[in-house]
Amino acid sequence: AQTVTQSQPEMSVQEAETVTLSCTYDTSESDYYLFWYKQPPSRQMILVIRQEAYKQQNATENRFSVNFQKAAKSFSLKISDSQLGDAAMYFCAYSSGNTPLVFGKGTRLSVIA
Amino acid sequence: ETGVTQTPRHLVMGMTNKKSLKCEQHLGHNAMYWYKQSAKKPLELMFVYNFKEQTENNSVPSRFSPECPNSSHLFLHLHTLQPEDSALYLCASSQILASSYEQYFGPGTRLTVT
Repeated sequence: AQTVTQSQPEMSVQEAETVTLSCTYDTSESDYYLFWYKQPPSRQMILVIRQEAYKQQNATENRFSVNFQKAAKSFSLKISDSQLGDAAMYFCAYSSGNTPLVFGKGTRLSVIA
Repeated sequence: ETGVTQTPRHLVMGMTNKKSLKCEQHLGHNAMYWYKQSAKKPLELMFVYNFKEQTENNSVPSRFSPECPNSSHLFLHLHTLQPEDSALYLCASSQILASSYEQYFGPGTRLTVT
């Protein structure tokens, strides 16, 4: 079965600085999708960024980018120029075929003003 | 209303009560999901519906009973729950059940079983 591991339960970053959240996964599939979701204190989860496994280029969305290492099964999220509104729980997730998302336990990010 | 809505937002119920959680999506999606979110545990997928048909039941106890009358509405009927069922219950939807499609989440129902 596929598993997703987030080894950092909590992280903190100074405002305007850069932080990287780690995620590793285990799968025997070659074609799959990886996601980072953000859950702010209001609890509505939203998609931050998505990566297709067949694409070698790392996905980027404004201040958010990923470092996708397929051989190492690693999928980290980098947040640049951190803002107070980035404070949230961040979940790494995996999906392949018709299977629904498999989530990691999450990393709680605090942003210090 | 836009996106995915859930009612009620908070629910306190006794172990002998019967209650229902409601989810509605206004996105024209065809797949809907129920998740359980407990403290310090990964999100647990409970049920999946694709075009109103249940495609997955993740070994959920029978005291949780889902209902999907159409592609826009999803219910979770609760009866004789246990205190360990206290959690945040999240509903989500996606265009179809496929790995490439983003899931859109509702705000959740915070359930407390006393």
